[in-house]
Amino acid sequence: QVQLVESGGGVVKSGVSLRLSCGASGFTFTSYALHWVRQAPGKGLEWLAVISYNGDTKYYADSVKGRFTISRDNSKNTLFLQMTSLRAEDTAVYYCTRGAVPDTHTYYFDYWGQGTLVTVSS
Amino acid sequence: SSELTQDPAVSVALGQTVRITCQGYRLRTYYASWYQKKPGQAPVVVIYGQNNRPSGIPDRFSGSNSGDTASLIITGAQAEDEADYFCSSRDTSGDRLWVFGGGTKLTVL
Repeated sequence: QVQLVESGGGVVKSGVSLRLSCGASGFTFTSYALHWVRQAPGKGLEWLAVISYNGDTKYYADSVKGRFTISRDNSKNTLFLQMTSLRAEDTAVYYCTRGAVPDTHTYYFDYWGQGTLVTVSS
Repeated sequence: SSELTQDPAVSVALGQTVRITCQGYRLRTYYASWYQKKPGQAPVVVIYGQNNRPSGIPDRFSGSNSGDTASLIITGAQAEDEADYFCSSRDTSGDRLWVFGGGTKLTVL
């Protein structure tokens, strides 16, 4: 079965960097775009970044553009999120999720990891 | 940038029908998808596309679309349906972003 498992979260101080990982199994990793989505405490879901199946194309939400970098290692079935200059407002549970595109008018996130908590203290 | 607007909270009596709506310009181009989110758990897609349910999602969940508004309908709401529900859509303004609605807290009375 499809599994996405995030790791790398923790408690860090403002201004430092952190790298999250998402290990994937149960599907052909190189066939899917992957995303990072976060949920801050008491807040809604926020889309952060996407990377294409081969890693050539990446897009970011304005809130993290220039600070976060999404990447993938297709030889290890692993997705990454490098986060720099962390701020208190980056405190959230970070999820990796797989994109599904059944037709040109439909795009959804079909599998999600359990998430990893990042707490940024000032 | 495009936004998806949801009512913050909705309540429904046990066994009754409830409609949760999501409004946004981009829904005229892309179908919304709907995610159920319970505390401490990962989001789960319950409806995607025109009106598609992933395997394992009860058939009391359905979706509809009209113009710039998408709806998630729960027919015969159960206690376990109490959760936050988020809509999402592709948003091609700017850098091909994706966007989530603010979420609707569903209370089953």
